[in-house]
Amino acid sequence: GNSVTQMEGPVTLSEEAFLTINCTYTATGYPSLFWYVQYPGEGLQLLLKATKADDKGSNKGFEATYRKETTSFHLEKGSVQVSDSAVYFCALIGSGNTGKLIFGQGTTLQVKP
Amino acid sequence: DGGITQSPKYLFRKEGQNVTLSCEQNLNHDAMYWYRQDPGQGLRLIYYSQIVNDFQKGDIAEGYSVSREKKESFPLTVTSAQKNPTAFYLCASSIDFTLKENSPLHFGNGTRLTVT
Repeated sequence: GNSVTQMEGPVTLSEEAFLTINCTYTATGYPSLFWYVQYPGEGLQLLLKATKADDKGSNKGFEATYRKETTSFHLEKGSVQVSDSAVYFCALIGSGNTGKLIFGQGTTLQVKP
Repeated sequence: DGGITQSPKYLFRKEGQNVTLSCEQNLNHDAMYWYRQDPGQGLRLIYYSQIVNDFQKGDIAEGYSVSREKKESFPLTVTSAQKNPTAFYLCASSIDFTLKENSPLHFGNGTRLTVT
C-alpha cells in the first residue's frame, strides 16, 4: 500500500542555516505529494505541493522537487528563521485513491537564534 | 473569515465516559475528516464524510462514532470502547473528496483530549 517515510527528528539548526528534511514514498502510479506545516498548538497548513514528476513546489522560501526516479520529495530552505520552528509533515494522495491523504510521521524543526 | 472551528481546545474526561468533540466549518466544503495525532506517528484517519448524511470508516475507526446531519458540522464521539483515547484530534475539510489540485485539506486547530 501507499506509505510515506520522513527523517526522524528533532532537527536543530542555527538561524540562517540550510535545511533539508528527507521524505521518501511508496505508491503505485503517480501520486500527488504535499508538505504540511504545524506550528505549536495549531492545526496543519499546506506549505507546498507537486502533482507530477519533476514538478517543484515552492512557498515562503521552502522548495521540494518531485523525484519519481528516487521516489523522494525532500523539503529544503536556504536560510531558516526562528519562526520556521514547527513540525513538518510529508504526505501523498495516490493516483487511484482519492480523498485519503497518507501522512509521514512528522519531523520537528527547532531553529535557535 | 471562513475556517474550521474545533472546540474545546482542551478536554478532560474520566475513563469509561463518552465524550463528543465539536467541528464546525463555514467554508461550504462537502468533505470533512477526523484525524488523530500521536507523538511520532503522524496523522491517522478516523472517519471521513464525502457529503452530508454520509460517512465512512477510516484506518482507525474502532471506538469512535460520527454523524453528518448538517453540511457544516461533523462531531466525533470518543466512546468508552476506545482503548487509548488520550490524543490530539484534528478535524479537516476540503471542497470535495477528490482533493484535486485546488482543493487541499483545511485543518482546525485541534482538541487535546486527556482521559484519566
